[in-house]
Amino acid sequence: GENVEQHPSTLSVQEGDSAVIKCTYSDSASNYFPWYKQELGKRPQLIIDIRSNVGEKKDQRIAVTLNKTAKHFSLHITETQPEDSAVYFCAGTGTASKLTFGTGTRLQVTL
Amino acid sequence: GAVVSQHPSRVICKSGTSVKIECRSLDFQATTMFWYRQFPKQSLMLMATSNEGSKATYEQGVEKDKFLINHASLTLSTLTVTSAHPEDSSFYICSAPRGQDTQYFGPGTRLTVL
Repeated sequence: GENVEQHPSTLSVQEGDSAVIKCTYSDSASNYFPWYKQELGKRPQLIIDIRSNVGEKKDQRIAVTLNKTAKHFSLHITETQPEDSAVYFCAGTGTASKLTFGTGTRLQVTL
Repeated sequence: GAVVSQHPSRVICKSGTSVKIECRSLDFQATTMFWYRQFPKQSLMLMATSNEGSKATYEQGVEKDKFLINHASLTLSTLTVTSAHPEDSSFYICSAPRGQDTQYFGPGTRLTVL
């Protein structure tokens, strides 16, 4: 089955700086890669996703890049704000829409 | 976006009792729903795939006789934790896919077994 690794596990940046979170996956058949933001005690919220036929996608301050050959994808957050502080999960989908999650990155944006 | 609800949001029960958690897709139909478990400061682990009108598919290591799943309609899946023990205490979250791939998550149920 799919295996998704995520780095770093914690990330602290100053407000206004950029944050980058990286993930790798193992199943070359995976074709959908969402990113979720989860605040303490709440549900994961989809913030951006990318499909395997696209190399990059951007939505305001958030962007995701995908390298199918290397089987890795990254989340980029620019101009970080305190409200960006949360745990971020990457995921990969192989067969039957089953999501395999990465281990999560705790992002702390400091003033 | 699509709305998925879960009930109850919190439940505290005694060891040995059973607890039922409901997951509903409110504005769309879902032939498939997923159940996850999340321990504190850990990732979401897929427990099982709930299939409307047929048996659930369980992930390796998940006891199907302990975690009973029923997907009786296109908008409702239930997870019953049978004979709950303290080690079953966790955050249980369901999700339902809509469209090509996008999954929408319920708000989660925090189970505490005393």
